[in-house]
Amino acid sequence: RKEVEQDPGPFNVPEGATVAFNCTYSNSASQSFFWYRQDCRKEPKLLMSVYSSGNEDGRFTAQLNRASQYISLLIRDSKLSDSATYLCVALTDKLIFGTGTRLQVFP
Amino acid sequence: DAGITQSPRHKVTETGTPVTLRCHQTENHRYMYWYRQDPGHGLRLIHYSYGVKDTDKGEVSDGYSVSRSKTEDFLLTLESATSSQTSVYFCAISVEGPSGGYTFGSGTRLTVV
Repeated sequence: RKEVEQDPGPFNVPEGATVAFNCTYSNSASQSFFWYRQDCRKEPKLLMSVYSSGNEDGRFTAQLNRASQYISLLIRDSKLSDSATYLCVALTDKLIFGTGTRLQVFP
Repeated sequence: DAGITQSPRHKVTETGTPVTLRCHQTENHRYMYWYRQDPGHGLRLIHYSYGVKDTDKGEVSDGYSVSRSKTEDFLLTLESATSSQTSVYFCAISVEGPSGGYTFGSGTRLTVV
């Protein structure tokens, strides 16, 4: 079983839609969590950290449920430019990456 | 920008040859990492370094070695390249230490034929 699991998608949504990605992690000792964004043939870039209290950055909201070992990312009012792969990441003593969920936003 | 560059950007090499990839940072960060990314596996840690001459293995270290003789350079060597090492290799630095987010280089696409 992978330490961090994500639905690979792809999620195909129209512009303006709300889309949610989910992720589960297996190591209860994981301390911190992140979402990264990776564009095609580019390096991953940090999108946001994830906190138990939930955090929001513009159209993006991340949530952590430690009891269920579950992380989510909500994107509201999707833009064409949101098309990318979103990587869920958990930190134990090192960062462990999920395989990513691909999002395609169409006009 | 964190000032991290990888070289070369692309390389094709033959099976059995040694290959060295270079990661260079300009901002004196202590922690550096080498990952490989493959379809269906995501990013997997090969080796990492927490200071000059201080390195440790990641989950997929077999067939790879690293060196860090200067803070700014972290070298990854494929001792005898195999086709299974065809991959995209990313170097990363940790700006805040292991508990913070990482900044990645642009990657090296390595093909072993």
